[in-house]
Amino acid sequence: KNEVEQSPQNLTAQEGEFITINCSYSVGISALHWLQQHPGGGIVSLFMLSSGKKKHGRLIATINIQEKHSSLHITASHPRDSAVYICAVNFGNEKLTFGTGTRLTIIP
Amino acid sequence: NAGVTQTPKFRILKIGQSMTLQCTQDMNHNYMYWYRQDPGMGLKLIYYSVGAGITDKGEVPNGYNVSRSTTEDFPLRLELAAPSQTSVYFCASSWGHRGNTIYFGEGSWLTVV
Repeated sequence: KNEVEQSPQNLTAQEGEFITINCSYSVGISALHWLQQHPGGGIVSLFMLSSGKKKHGRLIATINIQEKHSSLHITASHPRDSAVYICAVNFGNEKLTFGTGTRLTIIP
Repeated sequence: NAGVTQTPKFRILKIGQSMTLQCTQDMNHNYMYWYRQDPGMGLKLIYYSVGAGITDKGEVPNGYNVSRSTTEDFPLRLELAAPSQTSVYFCASSWGHRGNTIYFGEGSWLTVV
């Protein structure tokens, strides 16, 4: 069965801390997406990965194809980073399978 | 660019009523999707389309219908609304399904009472 698991489910950290959110999947994939959902509900795509590493500002996403694992890192975290971060995977077809999300809260 | 536009943003329906959620994208994307998001759950695919005139069922299609008469529009119709359809609905689009960024609408909050 094609499954996506995220950890942790909830994460609270102090402003400035380095944040890591993990995503594991069950079988080979064609692409992995990291999404951000703010309170109020809108969903924004942060990264799309099929290999290696991508960086955008304070956000870094990595993927290890052999280990079927991806991480999203946030450096110098800020309260505005508080959101739900969602991992979604293409298991080689038109459809995305979503993790249940990681709720991140950054305390000033 | 407006991106993906969904309407309405909020709606309360009575059991048995029907309604249509509208979705329009102005990016000339081939692929369009409807998802629902229940509290504490991941997004579930209701229906998707790979181009005008082509639609297919996702994981949770029961109680819904779609059409794709143009590249831009992908409306979702709820027939005979039930409390189990209370959810947040997201429309999304992408140019292709492999290695392409996916763009989401703002969401539609639907309550069935």
